[in-house]
Amino acid sequence: AQSVTQLGSHVSVSEGALVLLRCNYSSSVPPYLFWYVQYPNQGLQLLLKYTTGATLVKGINGFEAEFKKSETSFHLTKPSAHMSDAAEYFCAVSPLNTGNQFYFGTGTSLTVIP
Amino acid sequence: DTGVSQDPRHKITKRGQNVTFRCDPISEHNRLYWYRQTLGQGPEFLTYFQNEAQLEKSRLLSDRFSAERPKGSFSTLEIQRTEQGDSAMYLCASRPGTTPQETQYFGPGTRLLVL
Repeated sequence: AQSVTQLGSHVSVSEGALVLLRCNYSSSVPPYLFWYVQYPNQGLQLLLKYTTGATLVKGINGFEAEFKKSETSFHLTKPSAHMSDAAEYFCAVSPLNTGNQFYFGTGTSLTVIP
Repeated sequence: DTGVSQDPRHKITKRGQNVTFRCDPISEHNRLYWYRQTLGQGPEFLTYFQNEAQLEKSRLLSDRFSAERPKGSFSTLEIQRTEQGDSAMYLCASRPGTTPQETQYFGPGTRLLVL
């Protein structure tokens, strides 16, 4: 079974500082990888995804993530945090062989300190 | 593209009552998914449809939960004899087709509180 681990349920950064949110997956075959953001009382919005090709993926709002097969990781970064980045972030995987459900991590709550 | 919509956005009910939630996917999206999200957790898969066919329902939490998508468009999720443990956010998502690399587009969710 797939599992997704997000290290750090809460991350705080100062405005303008680097954002790093960690995601590791467990699968012998790398799945497709997604990052979603959830603002309070809202649904999930896609930030970016990795399917094939370049391992560094750029998304919306200045976020990017790098797929590292050797580390089974897909960490999310942003060079300079903005107050509006404060939200819950979820990493999700979509197994190659099913195309059905997504498996989500438990989420990381990002706080941006002014 | 009006996005995935869900109704109601909030529902408060008493234990033992039945509730029904509706999801309208993005037009022409064949796949529709239901997830449950509890506080501090990521979404947990419940069931999904390919058009009107329910292809996976073993993950529904109990036989009190059921879902339908009668004409392959909107879907409903029903919880019978609600319990306090059913309190959660219920999310609906849709995707255009069947390939695993396609994005799932989520609705705003229905937040259920069982008293």
